[in-house]
Amino acid sequence: DAGVTQSPTHLIKTRGQQVTLRCSPKSGHDTVSWYQQALGQGPQFIFQYYEEEERQRGNFPDRFSGHQFPNYSSELNVNALLLGDSALYLCASSLDRGAFPNEQFFGPGTRLTVL
Amino acid sequence: GDSVTQMEGPVTLSEEAFLTINCTYTATGYPSLFWYVQYPGEGLQLLLKATKADDKGSNKGFEATYRKETTSFHLEKGSVQVSDSAVYFCALSPGGYNKLIFGAGTRLAVHP
Repeated sequence: DAGVTQSPTHLIKTRGQQVTLRCSPKSGHDTVSWYQQALGQGPQFIFQYYEEEERQRGNFPDRFSGHQFPNYSSELNVNALLLGDSALYLCASSLDRGAFPNEQFFGPGTRLTVL
Repeated sequence: GDSVTQMEGPVTLSEEAFLTINCTYTATGYPSLFWYVQYPGEGLQLLLKATKADDKGSNKGFEATYRKETTSFHLEKGSVQVSDSAVYFCALSPGGYNKLIFGAGTRLAVHP
């Protein structure tokens, strides 16, 4: 049973560019959440997708957007990249109707470096 | 807003020493509380959780008790091993759609 997978593993972009990160949830999971983890800090919640809709959002600008596909996989898009967007981006999946609190399973992350 | 504060690291211990990592939280309502662990080169893994006051979460010899009166969820282990070396994150979920709010993390290094 594959866990949460993310691609790519590493990515280098320059300021002003756009980036798309991808996530496949754990088998059977229907909810995907995205987090940003800056170096030496804890993950910060970006948003959560369920039934192809953004259900909850953290304190991130509109440059951060996402999508969830019918197979529950998800993308995170960041436009107009800033140096401060350099971080590890984590995807977590869960089952909406699982036992409360719904355990979130994390992927290994995508390391984004903005030059 | 809701937040989590945990002791700064790194914490350096000898094998078989007693471990405590302090965690306090600020939240409205009745959050669920978690400890996650991040081993070198790996993703975050749930270590233990507690969903209501006085609940004790436990796993792999680690324990933490949900203390509502002191808004704390301290992580303890009676005898650490070298393999416990990792970064430990305290987190809360305010309820609803269970987004997680994390502390800054505490790095633990255990030496033989």
